[in-house]
Amino acid sequence: QSVLTQSPSASGTPGQRVIISCSGSSSNIGRNTVNWYQQLPGTAPKLLIYSDSQRPSGVPDRFSGSKSGTSASLAISGLQSEDEADYFCATWDDGLNGRDYVFGPGTKVTVV
Amino acid sequence: QVQLVQSGAEVKRPGASVRVSCKASGYIFTVYELHWVRQAPGQGLEWMGWINPNSGGTHSAKKFQGRVTMTRDTSISTVYMEVSSLRSDDTAVYYCAREGLYGSLGNWGQGTLVSVSS
Repeated sequence: QSVLTQSPSASGTPGQRVIISCSGSSSNIGRNTVNWYQQLPGTAPKLLIYSDSQRPSGVPDRFSGSKSGTSASLAISGLQSEDEADYFCATWDDGLNGRDYVFGPGTKVTVV
Repeated sequence: QVQLVQSGAEVKRPGASVRVSCKASGYIFTVYELHWVRQAPGQGLEWMGWINPNSGGTHSAKKFQGRVTMTRDTSISTVYMEVSSLRSDDTAVYYCAREGLYGSLGNWGQGTLVSVSS
């Protein structure tokens, strides 16, 4: 079981705005920055957002991230068919084992 | 450009061990930690641990301690991850990934499928 929670699915029509949430606690999201990964079917994950809200070079500005307290969100504006993928939040967790990297269970985004 | 190239698919019997390699290029190998992440069929991403290619120091998730060994060979810019006492639930795609900006995993290998079956 992950220490981060995400809703298992989200959907929208082309052009719509979809928001994916990620909830954690004071030992992870509450004290560390959040990263988001996109995984297209059959491919390796790709970094989409780092440090809560920063986009790596090449990531469209349709993707945006935010964080408040122990929760984070990824917003996809102007949803496109190629955005259909799994999205994972991740952060560092400062627990009894030291500093572990943890992933949320993932949210499957469907473009209907 | 940064590239991480992993070894090929493996099929193993329960109880055996498997070693997956990850060859880095396009950057100074000893500067960035390399992580291992696995994904069972139809499941999410599971972080396994990291290795510091400079010192060889490692840190792994509690569930893998004692069963996973991470090593590196700086002469060929390659890290290795060995899993021992394989079980059927170790069947997964194993990825290496380079830690980068603010502790994110910015570059990933192509993945290595390890199948464990009797």
